[in-house]
Amino acid sequence: DAGVTQSPTHLIKTRGQQVTLRCSPKSGHDTVSWYQQALGQGPQFIFQYYEEEERQRGNFPDRFSGHQFPNYSSELNVNALLLGDSALYLCASSLQALMNTEAFFGQGTRLTVV
Amino acid sequence: RKEVEQDPGPFNVPEGATVAFNCTYSNSASQSFFWYRQDCRKEPKLLMSVYSSGNEDGRFTAQLNRASQYISLLIRDSKLSDSATYLCVVLSFMNSGGYQKVTFGTGTKLQVIP
Repeated sequence: DAGVTQSPTHLIKTRGQQVTLRCSPKSGHDTVSWYQQALGQGPQFIFQYYEEEERQRGNFPDRFSGHQFPNYSSELNVNALLLGDSALYLCASSLQALMNTEAFFGQGTRLTVV
Repeated sequence: RKEVEQDPGPFNVPEGATVAFNCTYSNSASQSFFWYRQDCRKEPKLLMSVYSSGNEDGRFTAQLNRASQYISLLIRDSKLSDSATYLCVVLSFMNSGGYQKVTFGTGTKLQVIP
């Protein structure tokens, strides 16, 4: 049973460019959440997708957008990249129906903006 | 005040020592609590859930104090391999929209010294 998979694992982009990160949730999970983790900080919640809709959003600008597909996989898009967007981007999957469910994380995509 | 607060540390302890971390949360309606462990440049992984009655897993003990709104993690007989960042995670059920809100603490860094 594959866990949460993210691609790519590493990425280097220049300022102003756009990037798309991908996530496949753990088998059986229907909810995908995205987090940004800067070096030395805890993960910061970006947004959560369930039933192909953005259900909640953290304090991130509109440059950050996402999508969830019918197979529950998800994409995170970041436009007009800034140097400060350099971080580890984590995807977590869970099952919406179970309140006390733990979230499983992918290995992350390390984005470097130069 | 942050929704979830942790002492960032670092906590430098000798092998064999007992160390405890606390995590405070501001939302009294929070319902589920977890401790995650994150190794350097890796994704967070679930260490243990935190139950109202407290729970123990080997050298690790987690407790919840709802009255004072904090959770704790106790590590006995510290091993070198316990060196990591320990993240506190709080789940709240949001009535408006009917979704879970997941909030991470910034993490507490533990370094076990030989």
